[in-house]
Amino acid sequence: GDSVTQMEGPVTLSEEAFLTINCTYTATGYPSLFWYVQYPGEGLQLLLKATKADDKGSNKGFEATYRKETTSFHLEKGSVQVSDSAVYFCALTYSGGSNYKLTFGKGTLLTVNP
Amino acid sequence: EPEVTQTPSHQVTQMGQEVILRCVPISNHLYFYWYRQILGQKVEFLVSFYNNEISEKSEIFDDQFSVERPDGSNFTLKIRSTKLEDSAMYFCASSGTRAGADTQYFGPGTRLTVL
Repeated sequence: GDSVTQMEGPVTLSEEAFLTINCTYTATGYPSLFWYVQYPGEGLQLLLKATKADDKGSNKGFEATYRKETTSFHLEKGSVQVSDSAVYFCALTYSGGSNYKLTFGKGTLLTVNP
Repeated sequence: EPEVTQTPSHQVTQMGQEVILRCVPISNHLYFYWYRQILGQKVEFLVSFYNNEISEKSEIFDDQFSVERPDGSNFTLKIRSTKLEDSAMYFCASSGTRAGADTQYFGPGTRLTVL
């Protein structure tokens, strides 16, 4: 079946550091890929997405590129802020049909210190 | 901006009791979902709902669970006889053709505590 593997956390960075959170996937078809963010005490918010190979999703300074050859969708940000402290989830789904269930990775806790 | 809402934010119940978790999806969306997140673990799919019927359910979604869309706006998850292991955060999500059916928007969650 489909699965998503994220790098183990927690990740602790200083403000303005460069962030990479690795995500790889195993899929039987050609999924859409997502990053969701969960701030402390809140629900999941869509951060960015990419629907096909070589697409780059971006939002709020975060970027991720859909790499079919390496089955990866790594999340990057050039300069993190304290407010970026949250849990980040990589996820996939398939387009078409009557079900778009998301398969999530385990999540990566990011803590940014001032 | 439209958003998914969920009530209550926190529900405490005794083992064996029935609970109903309520969600109001974004109004023009067509696909509806429930997920759960046990504390410290990953978000798990429970069930998807489209065209007034379940389109897929996970192995977690056994006979104790049911979903309904009773009035065209609410989407409910019922657990008939709660168990300790049902304690989790339950998230409702919806997606629709406007933003792309593959893009789901999540509610803030209901924290269910079973004693």
